[in-house]
This record gives sequence, structure tokens and C-alpha cells, in this order.
Amino acid sequence: QQPVQSPQAVILREGEDAVINCSSSKALYSVHWYRQKHGEAPVFLMILLKGGEQKGHDKISASFNEKKQQSSLYLTASQLSYSGTYFCGTTGYNQGGKLIFGQGTELSVKP
Amino acid sequence: DVKVTQSSRYLVKRTGEKVFLECVQDMDHENMFWYRQDPGLGLRLIYFSYDVKMKEKGDIPEGYSVSREKKERFSLILESASTNQTSMYLCASSLLRLADTYNEQFFGPGTRLTVL
Repeated sequence: QQPVQSPQAVILREGEDAVINCSSSKALYSVHWYRQKHGEAPVFLMILLKGGEQKGHDKISASFNEKKQQSSLYLTASQLSYSGTYFCGTTGYNQGGKLIFGQGTELSVKP
Repeated sequence: DVKVTQSSRYLVKRTGEKVFLECVQDMDHENMFWYRQDPGLGLRLIYFSYDVKMKEKGDIPEGYSVSREKKERFSLILESASTNQTSMYLCASSLLRLADTYNEQFFGPGTRLTVL
């Protein structure tokens, strides 16, 4: 089953913060986050492995709560360049690198 | 610079035609993937391959087949294209899992296929 992302879409002003959630009904080993700008290929942001590890990428960070089978992506002081669709991809145990992606969250940052 | 290329950015085919979508990566990756992307549904895995001549079905394999004769090339085949296969098709590659690390996927630019 696909993980569920929320919200489906969000509109921000420059400098505002946002949180995107990714929830799975299955036990997770890792969560990947990708961003896809309009007309471009998805680009990797970060991987989180089981253990609740928090990672960061510029002003974008993420957490992984394996007990809740949930990951959250935090965008701080958003910039125009953050606009795009964010996807989480999840793996279970022994999945051999196969990801199951959520439906995506469309983020628009306005000046 | 790592690269995944796809044979066409845009493709228009007729119902019933056999369609080949080609993907080439230059990173010596073992894993290769084919996804289709539809609004509101995200990226759905069609097939993936973890070695030459090896393939595994993803979540939506019906109506598709794949071929991997060389490590760098992974082809998606629509045996008899139908209008419901109109979509954006994305290819990706990644290293085989090392230790406990699941490696990032690198995506190609996509092929927008329209079946009339």
C-alpha cells in the first residue's frame, strides 16, 4: 500500500514554515524524500533509517518515528526555490531498494 | 555528473501499437526502475531489475513488460498500447543496497506518452 502524505497541497509566503507528513500502514525500514520541480525529474533530498534519526539538508530537515510508522519533512523559512511536489518513498525490510512512493504534496511558495 | 537518460521526452502512439521506452544510466548501478506518474497518484512502480536479465513486478505490471540485456539499459515495453496507458513514465537507477543503507534513486527526465 502507498504511504499517505498530508497535506495534499500547501501555499506559503516566503519565509514561512511548513510540515509535510508521510504515514504508512506497514512497518518501515527507511523513508526517502524527493522533490520534483515542474517539468523536471524528482531529485533526492534525504534518507532516514529506522531509529528516529533526524537529517537535514539546508533548511529542510526530516524525522522518522518508526513506532508510528511516520516521517515528517520540515521546511523552515521557505524560499521560492522550495516550490515543487514533495514525495516520500518508503521501504520495508529486505525490499532490495524498492521504494513505494506516496501520492505527493504540492508546495507553492509565493513572494 | 551522474546521468539517467530516456529515449524520448514526448511520444504519441496509436491504440494497439507496440511501444518501447528506453532508459540508459551511466553510473554502473545494479538497480533500475520504471514508474508511471499520474496526477494525484504519485509515482507507481511498474517493474524493477536488480541485475542483468533479472526483473521483478512492481505494483502495476499489467500491460507492461521489461527487458534488461545490458547493465546500463532497461527497456519498458507496452505490448499493445491502450489509452489508459497515457501517462508520464520515469526511469530511475540506484546502487544495490550496501550494508544497512538504502541508496538514493536517480531519475531520468521522463517520457510523456500519449496513446490515441
